[in-house]
Amino acid sequence: GQQVMQIPQYQHVQEGEDFTTYCNSSTTLSNIQWYKQRPGGHPVFLIQLVKSGEVKKQKRLTFQFGEAKKNSSLHITATQTTDVGTYFCAGDYGGSQGNLIFGKGTKLSVKP
Amino acid sequence: NAGVMQNPRHLVRRRGQEARLRCSPMKGHSHVYWYRQLPEEGLKFMVYLQKENIIDESGMPKERFSAEFPKEGPSILRIQQVVRGDSAAYFCASSQWQPSTGELFFGEGSRLTVL
Repeated sequence: GQQVMQIPQYQHVQEGEDFTTYCNSSTTLSNIQWYKQRPGGHPVFLIQLVKSGEVKKQKRLTFQFGEAKKNSSLHITATQTTDVGTYFCAGDYGGSQGNLIFGKGTKLSVKP
Repeated sequence: NAGVMQNPRHLVRRRGQEARLRCSPMKGHSHVYWYRQLPEEGLKFMVYLQKENIIDESGMPKERFSAEFPKEGPSILRIQQVVRGDSAAYFCASSQWQPSTGELFFGEGSRLTVL
């Protein structure tokens, strides 16, 4: 079935270090979305990538969508304690169902 | 503009009881999704509904679970005869269109504990 794999599961960094999480699908995605969930909170939308090879930036966050539309990454430059949380990618395979398949997430902890 | 409203935020049930979780989508949103999240796990899709219609229930367990989104009122996720394994956070999300054209807005979640 359709599955989105996300690595690493956990990442511990020192404040100021960079962080990257990777998402991979065995089949081509229609588009991919990224969400952030703070501890005890709910997922909040960050961005959607649609085009092959697309790169989008939001301040210290850089999102990429692979050329084959099967993988994606989120890179955070110079992490801050406010970046703590779990980052999820969510793949849309198109079709009429319209539901997103979420990766298991990468839990980021930042040591001040 | 109120966001997605879920209630109750916390619910405790004993094994064999019923749990009813309610979700009011954002104003103007006609697409509702339910996801389940176990501790330290990702979000697992359960069901996608539009008003009075179940569009995709491929993630719903075959027994004990049901969902509806009536013409009037909130969407309801109903779990009958709960078991300990049902303990989880249940998130509702809504969108104005299908997620392929935009983001999902999540509620705060309903955290179910089965004793």
